[in-house]
Amino acid sequence: NAGVTQTPKFQVLKTGQSMTLQCAQDMNHNSMYWYRQDPGMGLRLIYYSASEGTTDKGEVPNGYNVSRLNKREFSLRLESAAPSQTSVYFCASRPSGPYEQYFGPGTRLTVT
Amino acid sequence: RKEVEQDPGPFNVPEGATVAFNCTYSNSASQSFFWYRQDCRKEPKLLMSVYSSGNEDGRFTAQLNRASQYISLLIRDSKLSDSATYLCVVNRAGNMLTFGGGTRLMVKP
Repeated sequence: NAGVTQTPKFQVLKTGQSMTLQCAQDMNHNSMYWYRQDPGMGLRLIYYSASEGTTDKGEVPNGYNVSRLNKREFSLRLESAAPSQTSVYFCASRPSGPYEQYFGPGTRLTVT
Repeated sequence: RKEVEQDPGPFNVPEGATVAFNCTYSNSASQSFFWYRQDCRKEPKLLMSVYSSGNEDGRFTAQLNRASQYISLLIRDSKLSDSATYLCVVNRAGNMLTFGGGTRLMVKP
């Protein structure tokens, strides 16, 4: 049981490049989330998906797009990376109901 | 005002000390509450859920005060391994969890 997995673990991009961060969970959870965490700051929600086929904006969606490919997978795409998107990105999943979220190990992204 | 507020710390305590963190939340409709622990450069992990009647897990005790809209975490007999950032997390109805900025704890020998 792998829980929540994320790839890649580390990535360096040049300004203007694009990339997709991958996330998958094997716990049959309905909801999935993408957060970013910057030094000294809390987790900020980028996008979330309450169920397969639905996605909604979070607190900081600008510059990102998401795809809920199926129940297991939720990807985050940066179309044109900017230095302000340098951050640690965490994916999380959650079962339906008043339960906790489970996090992946994170992707450390640097945009130069 | 932030929806979930925590003192960022750091709290520097000696081994064996008792330390308490508080967290306030602004939305009275909040329904479930959690404490997470985050080690440096790692993902947050659930420490404990917080129940209305208060709950204990070993050296850790969580309390909820709905009237005053705050949650507390008490750590007894602090260990070096307790050094981490503690995140207060609140859930309103639906799928959204809101995270506080975290309180950093450093336990010294």
